[in-house]
Amino acid sequence: EVQLVESGGGLVKPGGSLRLSCAASGFTFSNAWMSWVRQAPGKGLEWVGRIKSKTDGGTTDYAAPVKGRFTISRDDSKNTLYLQMNSLKTEDTAVYYCTTGSPSYIAVAGNAFDIWGQGTMVTVSS
Amino acid sequence: QAVVTQEPSLTVSPGGTVTLTCGSSTGAVTSGHYPYWFQQKPGQAPRTLIYDTSNKHSWTPARFSGSLLGGKAALTLSGAQPEDEAEYYCLLSYSGAHVVFGGGTKLTVL
Repeated sequence: EVQLVESGGGLVKPGGSLRLSCAASGFTFSNAWMSWVRQAPGKGLEWVGRIKSKTDGGTTDYAAPVKGRFTISRDDSKNTLYLQMNSLKTEDTAVYYCTTGSPSYIAVAGNAFDIWGQGTMVTVSS
Repeated sequence: QAVVTQEPSLTVSPGGTVTLTCGSSTGAVTSGHYPYWFQQKPGQAPRTLIYDTSNKHSWTPARFSGSLLGGKAALTLSGAQPEDEAEYYCLLSYSGAHVVFGGGTKLTVL
């Protein structure tokens, strides 16, 4: 069964840091392009960023609100995706989801969002 | 950054048909935007219904279909069920990593 499980959320003060993890199973993680999407309380979905597979360069892209503060990385030996969040702001409060899709579809479309984790809540508050 | 627009809310009667749309501030939505549609119920993660304009996953109920309609992406629900009451989001891709979600449509089945 294809599965994504996020962890690492919690309460952090403004200016603080937090690292989220996303454990993948049921598919070849090393071939997958992985994305993070967040959802503030009562609001819509917002793309945070993505990381390509190492085969495709392993490069990262970020949404403007988080660029320079958030870093996405991966450990293919552990089938795990990470989101390092620094200089956190109150507006970063959200549920954070990891998501991915078929590599063959990504090769055509550039992105895929077919499998989602259950999310982990991050609250930035003093 | 492009803005993706959806109807804030729609209501459909049980057994009825409703079409949700997804527009782009940059112009007509095309297959090149690789439209996605997601369903999200309260307290749950999004679930992907449609990808690449009109393709369904194995878990997508047959009553949902995707298309391009009048310069927008469209999600049509034919034969609405009470369990279809949810928030629906579309997503459009713009040149590689640049993807934008719509603001969501709250669908009420009443």
